[in-house]
Formats: sequence, C-alpha cells, structure tokens
Amino acid sequence: KAGVTQTPRYLIKTRGQQVTLSCSPISGHRSVSWYQQTPGQGLQFLFEYFSETQRNKGNFPGRFSGRQFSNSRSEMNVSTLELGDSALYLCASSLGQLVDEQFFGPGTRLTVL
Amino acid sequence: GENVEQHPSTLSVQEGDSAVIKCTYSDSASNYFPWYKQELGKGPQLIIDIRSNVGEKKDQRIAVTLNKTAKHFSLHITETQPEDSAVYFCAAVSGNTPLVFGKGTRLSVIA
Repeated sequence: KAGVTQTPRYLIKTRGQQVTLSCSPISGHRSVSWYQQTPGQGLQFLFEYFSETQRNKGNFPGRFSGRQFSNSRSEMNVSTLELGDSALYLCASSLGQLVDEQFFGPGTRLTVL
Repeated sequence: GENVEQHPSTLSVQEGDSAVIKCTYSDSASNYFPWYKQELGKGPQLIIDIRSNVGEKKDQRIAVTLNKTAKHFSLHITETQPEDSAVYFCAAVSGNTPLVFGKGTRLSVIA
C-alpha cells in the first residue's frame, strides 16, 4: 500500500508570494491533517479535513488555508508569504478519527526569501 | 488545551544500552498516546502507540508505559543500535482533537 505523498518536496518563494502544497493520503484514509514543523516551535497543528470539511483548526492566521477534494486529496495554501513561514509542512492521514493511527508524508520544505 | 512536555531534549547512549524518554500531559481526557521517530529528511514515522485502557505495550525492542494517574508516559528502547539514532516525538490526543506533540528528543546511539 502506498504511503502518504506530498508535492512538491522543496519550494523556494519570496516574501509576498503565495504557495500551494499538495497531499495525497493513503488509499482509504478520509482524514488529512496538516502540521508546520520548525526548530523553534516544533510540530504545530494547522488544520484537519474530513470528507471535504474542515473539522479542526489550529491557531494560525487566515493566510493559511486548505481544502480537501472528494478523493480525499488535500491542498494547503499560504498567501502573502512571510520569512517566518519557512518550515517543513507535513501532512498526515488517518482512517477517519484523530485517535486512529496517523501516518505522515515526507513533508514539503518551504523556504521564504 | 492539552500541553505535552517531553524530556530529555537530547540523549546519548552507548550501543547496546537502554534509552528512556518521558512525557507528561495535562488533559486528563487524553486517551491516545503515539510515539514517532523522525530521521533526517523524512516525515515522522509511527513506531508505537498506547491507549488509555492499557498500561504497557511492547513491540520487540520498544515499549511504552502509561500512568494515567500521574499523567505521564514513557518510551523505552532496549539494546539500542546506531540506526535508532533519530528525533523521537511523543504526542497526546483526546477524542477528535488534534495531536499535541512534545518538543522532541534527539537520540544519539554511539557505536
């Protein structure tokens, strides 16, 4: 069974630009969560989608948004990029509940110059 | 909300020795506690988890213990090997609230 895939793996953007990251969950998984990982703040929850609906949201500004498609694939978008948005963005999928095992993808490394 | 504290932040052990990483949580409603291993350039990999109705769980050289009364849980790795070197994260979750992670422990196994 294929794991969680994320594209692109690396991205370099400049301040003010916007970016879209993609995540394909494990087949059969309906929940997709997004996390931001930085050396200073560790792993922080962004949002979670289940059946195309945002079910949970973390404490991030409105510049961070996401969506989920009917095939459970998910995208997240960051608008008006800031230097502090440089991070590893991780996506995790689970069958349906957050207490189910969550499996992470390799992440997208975003660098904002 | 939930808060997870993890100690130590770094840990060095000799190959063959045991390693123990400890986490405490604040929300008594938390009922699922996974542990993840993250190697350089990769996403976190689930290595073991425990639910609140169980006190201990083992999988070969890895074990996790949970003390609900004290609200802490620990990861034990026995007979450590160089390939165990990585960053380990504990996490806690309650119901359908998101995973809350500890800050991580960088484990170095010295051959």
